[in-house]
Amino acid sequence: DAGVIQSPRHEVTEMGQEVTLRCKPISGHNSLFWYRQTMMRGLELLIYFNNNVPIDDSGMPEDRFSAKMPNASFSTLKIQPSEPRDSAVYFCASSYTVTGELFFGEGSRLTVL
Amino acid sequence: AQSVSQHNHHVILSEAASLELGCNYSYGGTVNLFWYVQYPGQHLQLLLKYFSGDPLVKGIKGFEAEFIKSKFSFNLRKPSVQWSDTAEYFCATDSWGKLQFGAGTQVVVTP
Repeated sequence: DAGVIQSPRHEVTEMGQEVTLRCKPISGHNSLFWYRQTMMRGLELLIYFNNNVPIDDSGMPEDRFSAKMPNASFSTLKIQPSEPRDSAVYFCASSYTVTGELFFGEGSRLTVL
Repeated sequence: AQSVSQHNHHVILSEAASLELGCNYSYGGTVNLFWYVQYPGQHLQLLLKYFSGDPLVKGIKGFEAEFIKSKFSFNLRKPSVQWSDTAEYFCATDSWGKLQFGAGTQVVVTP
């Protein structure tokens, strides 16, 4: 299996622009997680899905952030409008069960100027 | 909600030295505990996990961790580190289906 695939790997954008990050989980996994990693806050769970349904989005910073999982093989995290403080590495992870081992993608490094 | 605390933010040690990283969790009930490692520029990978059974858990690359329920601890150990163990190490516990990570410990192994 190719593992969790994220795109883009790097994105540089200007404040106010819309950013869409994409994730393809491992086939057969039914849970998907979006994390954000920064030096200041470490790893933060933003949202997670189970069987394509959002279970907990309490970690989403504000309304500018939204996530969707239209099917079992694809998820997006959107930031609109983006701000410099959104600069971080965003990781997608999937697991076979909600409490199973997480398999992380390579991450999407976002820089908002 | 559960929380995880890691005792050290940065550890510097020489090759062949022994490593122990502290991790404490807050919840007193049944817990699942994990240690993940993030090598420079890479994504997180699972080192080891504890769900139940033998409280001494063996992981990859010579790492082990001991679950001590009375101390709410799950410390990570390696008897003799190598330069390639330079990485950030995260303790984690699941809480209502969410994996909560500690702040991480940056480990630097010098030749």
